[in-house]
Amino acid sequence: AQSVTQLDSQVPVFEEAPVELRCNYSSSVSVYLFWYVQYPNQGLQLLLKYLSGSTLVKGINGFEAEFNKSQTSFHLRKPSVHISDTAEYFCAAETQGGSEKLVFGKGTKLTVNP
Amino acid sequence: GAGVSQTPSNKVTEKGKYVELRCDPISGHTALYWYRQSLGQGPEFLIYFQGTGAADDSGLPNDRFFAVRPEGSVSTLKIQRTERGDSAVYLCASRVSGGHNEQFFGPGTRLTVL
Repeated sequence: AQSVTQLDSQVPVFEEAPVELRCNYSSSVSVYLFWYVQYPNQGLQLLLKYLSGSTLVKGINGFEAEFNKSQTSFHLRKPSVHISDTAEYFCAAETQGGSEKLVFGKGTKLTVNP
Repeated sequence: GAGVSQTPSNKVTEKGKYVELRCDPISGHTALYWYRQSLGQGPEFLIYFQGTGAADDSGLPNDRFFAVRPEGSVSTLKIQRTERGDSAVYLCASRVSGGHNEQFFGPGTRLTVL
């Protein structure tokens, strides 16, 4: 069965600093990977996704992620964060065939301080 | 256009009571998913509809949980004999079928069982 591990439950950073949110997945087959953001009292919003092709994926709001098959990782990065990036971030893997449901990590709370 | 909507936004009930949670997907989205997000956790899959039929209900925790989608659009998640452990945010998502298309999430219904 697929599983997704987000290594940090909370990440505090200062405004304009770079940030990396870590995600590892476990699967014996090819995967499709996603990062979602959840702002307080809002639904999940897709930041970016990896399906195939280039391992560096660019998303909205200046975020990017790199798929690394050998390390089974899909870490999310942003070179300079803003206060408005404060939110919960979820890494997810889509199951293959059938329902194509998402398996989520436990989330990483990013707090950007002034 | 309109996104996925869920009603009510908040539901407080007493242990043992019956509740219904409603999801209105994006028009034209044939695939619909229900997830449950407990405090401090990522969303967990409950059930998947393709059209009117439940194609995958492997995530339903027990037979107190049931969902329907009689006309292939609106879906209702039904919970009988609620327990305190059912307290969570219930998320609905819809998508265009196939092609690993993005799942669009609603804002969720926060269920509290007293």
